[in-house]
Amino acid sequence: GDSVTQTEGPVTVSESESLIINCTYSATSIAYPNLFWYVRYPGEGLQLLLKVITAGQKGSSRGFEATYNKETTSFHLQKASVQESDSAVYYCALGEGNNRIFFGDGTQLVVKP
Amino acid sequence: EAAVTQSPRNKVTVTGGNVTLSCRQTNSHNYMYWYRQDTGHGLRLIHYSYGAGNLQIGDVPDGYKATRTTQEDFFLLLELASPSQTSLYFCASSVTGGAPDTQYFGPGTRLLVL
Repeated sequence: GDSVTQTEGPVTVSESESLIINCTYSATSIAYPNLFWYVRYPGEGLQLLLKVITAGQKGSSRGFEATYNKETTSFHLQKASVQESDSAVYYCALGEGNNRIFFGDGTQLVVKP
Repeated sequence: EAAVTQSPRNKVTVTGGNVTLSCRQTNSHNYMYWYRQDTGHGLRLIHYSYGAGNLQIGDVPDGYKATRTTQEDFFLLLELASPSQTSLYFCASSVTGGAPDTQYFGPGTRLLVL
């Protein structure tokens, strides 16, 4: 079935350092799934960070970006310079077009001041 | 901004107890979802609905019932709670069920079954 694998957390980085959280996917029910990054801040529900529905395209939001790579089946999340307020849990997710979204296990990001 | 609320935020019950988790969305979304999240696992879909009176089975439905009474309200019922159902539960909604559509999440309910 469809699945998502992402960097196991926690990931700890210092403020102003760069970040990459890896995400790879396996889509068996659809050739070109839609890809998402959601973020969950402490005490809150998940919220959409960015999404890309076309292979080869890049999505960006709040300084984060991710490129939909069909060849490597990857959708890595990157940020050039993190801030302490970016501390949260990040979820890579795959949408297979039939009302369903499959989530990765989540990666906790801890940004040290 | 879509608004999804859940109640209670925290719940403790005993094995065999009866629990109802409530979810309300106020943005006229058609689809609503119940997920559970356990440490080391992503969100797993329990049940979902595309309208009042409708119910669809997700990936981990055993031990759970759900009911969509109105477009706004979606309830998750645990009639004989077990310790394996200790988890963090999220409700979500979306305008349509199509994959590109953003799901909006509530803040979650932490359930502890002793």
